[in-house]
Amino acid sequence: DAMVIQNPRYQVTQFGKPVTLSCSQTLNHNVMYWYQQKSSQAPKLLFHYYDKDFNNEADTPDNFQSRRPNTSFCFLDIRSPGLGDAAMYLCATSRLGQGSYNEQFFGPGTRLTVL
Amino acid sequence: AQSVTQLGSHVSVSEGALVLLRCNYSSSVPPYLFWYVQYPNQGLQLLLKYTSAATLVKGINGFEAEFKKSETSFHLTKPSAHMSDAAEYFCAVSDGWNNDMRFGAGTRLTVKP
Repeated sequence: DAMVIQNPRYQVTQFGKPVTLSCSQTLNHNVMYWYQQKSSQAPKLLFHYYDKDFNNEADTPDNFQSRRPNTSFCFLDIRSPGLGDAAMYLCATSRLGQGSYNEQFFGPGTRLTVL
Repeated sequence: AQSVTQLGSHVSVSEGALVLLRCNYSSSVPPYLFWYVQYPNQGLQLLLKYTSAATLVKGINGFEAEFKKSETSFHLTKPSAHMSDAAEYFCAVSDGWNNDMRFGAGTRLTVKP
């Protein structure tokens, strides 16, 4: 089945220690998104890639970076995690184009704990 | 700019009772509307979507929603709640022309036995 995969599902890191979260997709979608979701809140968009074009949300901290080496993979790098960065991180994909509704397909998420 | 408002951050129903989760949207162009469900420690799963075809949309797990332009609403309903419906539900809006999807704040559904 075509899907969005996130690894790992649970990640524990230490305060200030860089961490990378991974997302891959078999849907061949041209857009990939990273969201941060804190407890009992809606997902908050951090940034997205439209093909190779990177689009950062205005309020995304510089501490968060992303890479998309090819169509299938996208990474979220947190350079110096703080306690406030503990959250669920969701990857999503969509196919933007003629006849598209921008329906987004989500992965299972990675829950990040910062000690 | 588009937005959605979900009325009620928590809704509690008894098993077998009607489920009604409210969503109102604001959009300057014809909207595409979505309902997603999220179970604990999981991603968002699409329940149903409105894409300007039929105004009454049927989704998975017995849910449906009706697009009412005059009321700018897209409420989610299910005739009979099941314990497995307990989850967080998000309404979302997109115009389909850019990479922007706006989510509501979410409604947590509790189902009592």
